[in-house]
Amino acid sequence: AQKVTQAQTEISVVEKEDVTLDCVYETRDTTYYLFWYKQPPSGELVFLIRRNSFDEQNEISGRYSWNFQKSTSSFNFTITASQVVDSAVYFCALSEARNTDKLIFGTGTRLQVFP
Amino acid sequence: GAGVSQSPSNKVTEKGKDVELRCDPISGHTALYWYRQSLGQGLEFLIYFQGNSAPDKSGLPSDRFSAERTGGSVSTLTIQRTQQEDSAVYLCASSSGFHRGSSTDTQYFGPGTRLTVL
Repeated sequence: AQKVTQAQTEISVVEKEDVTLDCVYETRDTTYYLFWYKQPPSGELVFLIRRNSFDEQNEISGRYSWNFQKSTSSFNFTITASQVVDSAVYFCALSEARNTDKLIFGTGTRLQVFP
Repeated sequence: GAGVSQSPSNKVTEKGKDVELRCDPISGHTALYWYRQSLGQGLEFLIYFQGNSAPDKSGLPSDRFSAERTGGSVSTLTIQRTQQEDSAVYLCASSSGFHRGSSTDTQYFGPGTRLTVL
């Protein structure tokens, strides 16, 4: 069965700290896709990144970086030098190629960045 | 360009009434999804459309829930005889649907409709 686990319910950091949000997934598919979405207080889900199961190359985008490790079924997200504007709920999600691309979401991690 | 739009943004209704929620996907997107976000259940999939067809309705919680899509564009989610447990934010997402497994299949979300059943 497919499942996404975000064990960290809430994380609080002070501005400029680095923070890593954990995501562990379960799937029996060999072809699948992993996503991170950000949900700021306004409520709209904002797409951050998509990774394909056959591409384990890590990615960096500005202060954001993602570490995809198939060996541990993890897709962790790191924010470097966090800012107050990073405060939001972050969701990790999985979709499977044979399963209509519907997203299976984790329960989310609420990140609070204090000035 | 315009993103996914949803209306109304907020809906308050009385238990037992029917409600209709509307989603306008990104122009040209053939795939459309409905999700529900509630405190107890998190973010859960409801239904998927490819064009006007719904090949996956597996997430609809009961037969009080139905959805349709016309002209391969606008979709309406209808909840009949609403119950208090239907209170949630209903989110719509769309993707290009043209090339499953490619980067164009990312789902983009609308702002949601907050439904409150009194």
